[in-house]
Amino acid sequence: DIQMTQSPSTLSASVGDRVTITCRASQSISTWLAWYQQKPGKAPELLIYKASRLEYGVPSRFSGSGSGTEFTLTISSLQPDDFATYYCQQYNNYSYTFGQGTKLEIK
Amino acid sequence: EVQLVESGGDLVQPGGSLRLSCAVSGFTVSYNYMSWVRRAPGKGLEWVSILYRSGSAYYAESVKGRFTISRDNSENTLYLQMNSVRVEDTAVYYCARVEIGWYVFGDWGQGTLVTVSS
Repeated sequence: DIQMTQSPSTLSASVGDRVTITCRASQSISTWLAWYQQKPGKAPELLIYKASRLEYGVPSRFSGSGSGTEFTLTISSLQPDDFATYYCQQYNNYSYTFGQGTKLEIK
Repeated sequence: EVQLVESGGDLVQPGGSLRLSCAVSGFTVSYNYMSWVRRAPGKGLEWVSILYRSGSAYYAESVKGRFTISRDNSENTLYLQMNSVRVEDTAVYYCARVEIGWYVFGDWGQGTLVTVSS
């Protein structure tokens, strides 16, 4: 099975900051990579799919990049609503794997 | 409007069984790829199972042989039969629609809590 490793596990930042979260796959997954945001007590929400495609309705301050084994999620200017936990997710050969999550906290 | 509503979560003893349901409105379950994802307390998301339109089903290694995913087309409902449950199966279980062709979880329910404890 493909393992997904996110870094950092926790990130402290301020409103207005630019932040980047990294996700590494244990083997190449081309661009079959998605990013989700989850807030406490809520279901996850899809932000980015196919590594860089923005889901309909997601603010343009979110962007994704990467291919193969290394991927990034960037938030260009943090807003108060962005403090949450973020997960990457890969698809390969009928199997799906999530990263362990990155908790984005207010500094 | 798309809605996925899970139910069936409960306290169950190790070794016991439980069936989760996911009632769907706004789209047809049998025309879509449907999945279960869980989040254990203090842990991250874990994919559990998927049911394709064809009826083919796949499972995470951690639940293979113990859990079974199925659907009732007349009720437009997805199920997860959980047998031989373990303490480590304790989690909030979400059902989700998988975007065909993109293999991502686009629509989610609110989740149902399963607690495995003696």
